[in-house]
Amino acid sequence: NAGVTQTPKFQVLKTGQSMTLQCAQDMNHEYMSWYRQDPGMGLRLIHYSVGAGITDQGEVPNGYNVSRSTTEDFPLRLLSAAPSQTSVYFCASTDTGDPNTEAFFGQGTRLTVV
Amino acid sequence: RKEVEQDPGPFNVPEGATVAFNCTYSNSASQSFFWYRQDCRKEPKLLMSVYSSGNEDGRFTAQLNRASQYISLLIRDSKLSDSATYLCVVNLDSSYKLIFGSGTRLLVRP
Repeated sequence: NAGVTQTPKFQVLKTGQSMTLQCAQDMNHEYMSWYRQDPGMGLRLIHYSVGAGITDQGEVPNGYNVSRSTTEDFPLRLLSAAPSQTSVYFCASTDTGDPNTEAFFGQGTRLTVV
Repeated sequence: RKEVEQDPGPFNVPEGATVAFNCTYSNSASQSFFWYRQDCRKEPKLLMSVYSSGNEDGRFTAQLNRASQYISLLIRDSKLSDSATYLCVVNLDSSYKLIFGSGTRLLVRP
């Protein structure tokens, strides 16, 4: 039972490089989201999607793009990496219909930008 | 002011102790409330939802006080395996966007 799968688990980028963090879920959830977690801080919402073809910005969207071509996949693109984007990134998916429902998280991607 | 505030701890307690965490939220329109658990270098996982009437799951009891805008988590008979960071999480509206506190770290010692 895979749940939410993120790749890669670790990545080191040079400033200015671009890359895509992959996220896939096999639970047929409509809602997917990306968060970043920095030391001493809670998870902060980057982008989210309420279904295929629909995306929107969260609290900290600058420097990131997303797309949602299928229900299963929700990749996060870093356009031009900066040291301030060094963080742990979590993808999550949620079954819609009940606001009290659980959010399922991937194992995270630890990104370092040098 | 942070939307969700927690004491970062760490709370260092012996096995068998009872420990309580509090959390405050700033937006009175918040609708859903949760406690998530996060182990070191792992992803957050839902511990329990928090309902207005309070709810219990084994050794864990969650309470919500809407008038004072705070949420609590009580852990009885602490186990070594309870050592983790506990995240207070709020859903502001009927969407699924979650607002996280920075977490309270718990260390349970033998």
